[in-house]
Order: sequence, then C-alpha cells, then structure tokens
Amino acid sequence: DSGVTQTPKHLITATGQRVTLRCSPRSGDLSVYWYQQSLDQGLQFLIQYYNGEERAKGNILERFSAQQFPDLHSELNLSSLELGDSALYFCASSVTRESNSPLHFGNGTRLTVT
Amino acid sequence: GNSVTQMEGPVTLSEEAFLTINCTYTATGYPSLFWYVQYPGEGLQLLLKATKADDKGSNKGFEATYRKETTSFHLEKGSVQVSDSAVYFCALSDGGATNKLIFGTGTLLAVQP
Repeated sequence: DSGVTQTPKHLITATGQRVTLRCSPRSGDLSVYWYQQSLDQGLQFLIQYYNGEERAKGNILERFSAQQFPDLHSELNLSSLELGDSALYFCASSVTRESNSPLHFGNGTRLTVT
Repeated sequence: GNSVTQMEGPVTLSEEAFLTINCTYTATGYPSLFWYVQYPGEGLQLLLKATKADDKGSNKGFEATYRKETTSFHLEKGSVQVSDSAVYFCALSDGGATNKLIFGTGTLLAVQP
C-alpha cells in the first residue's frame, strides 16, 4: 500500500459530461502529481502541485483543471468529456519537489467515456 | 526535450532466466533515473533509482547502473520468478524546480513457470 488514496476506482460517464477525480496524498507528502495512462499515449504527466501551488504543467488540456486544497488533497476536474479521454488517471505524491524524491502512486481511477 | 526510450515488449522468459530490459534517455543536465514496476490492477511502485553517473540502484534482486557515456539505465535481474511478471517503466526526473517524471512506454514482462 503506497498510502496514496484515489477515488473513485471506476467512473463511467457520457460524452460532454464533467467528472471530478480525488486524491489524498501520503501522510506528510506536500507534492501531488497527476498522470494520464492510455494505450496509445502511455504515461503522460498532466500537472503538479506543491503545498497548494501549481508547480509544473504538462500535456494537460484546457478542458482539464486541478487544484490542491489546504489539507493537501487534490482534485482533477475533467469537463466536456470526449471518447478519447477514456484512460487510467493516476495521482502520485512525494515529500518534496526535489528531483530525486521518489513518487508514490495511487491505484488510479479508470475513466470510461461512452 | 527530455525523453526516455525503452525496449518494446512483451518479454517472455522462463523462470530463473536472466532479464535485461534496455532503457536509454535524452536529457540536458544530470537527471535522476528510476525504474518503476506496475503489477496488474495497481499503481506504479518505485523499484530502484540512481541519482548520478555510475550509481547503481538495486532492489529485490534487480539492478541498474546509470551510464552517462551511453545515456543508458538498463534493468537486469539474474534469475526471474513468476511473481516478477509486471510492466516495467524507466523514467527520468527532469530536475529543476519540479520533480516531474518522464516515463518510457513500459515493457511487459511475462515469466512462465
């Protein structure tokens, strides 16, 4: 058990809808990362937060947004969903934002857009 | 930009065989290098890491050496077990003010009894 909790585990929704994915980092970890894993794109970095502030942005679409709350949990909001957004979304956390600080991953949320 | 290239899978081996999964990288500066493993239905777990040239990361019988001259970080294990069946990801951390990881495409390892 990595200590990172993601909810829900599975989500099935229709095109055009909006969903929110939730992540609770490991106790004591200040940095949260979101990744998208799909068969054709592999693991893609979306966004990173550190202690409530956005630190880095990757291949995140404008339809997607995220935030990290004062209690350090994070939410990823996906709107105007398209079939191509179907993927496994992982949250990870680390103690610091330094480059050799290992990431601890949750078990992911599997999103299916129909 | 920074990138990671892994050998294509799947890799199918018999139990107790020797494993090598190749990984090369392109990066500016001196990234940290990682191997993560993903078992079915689970998230990624850190397997080992190396933070500077010539460092050897090791864990659970797996090893990888940070080779700056060949920009490689190949994963090896002397004798694989059925329980090692999983997807293995090579990754680099691009440093700077973030800890963003850039992953390779992953290599599926299937070990047969």
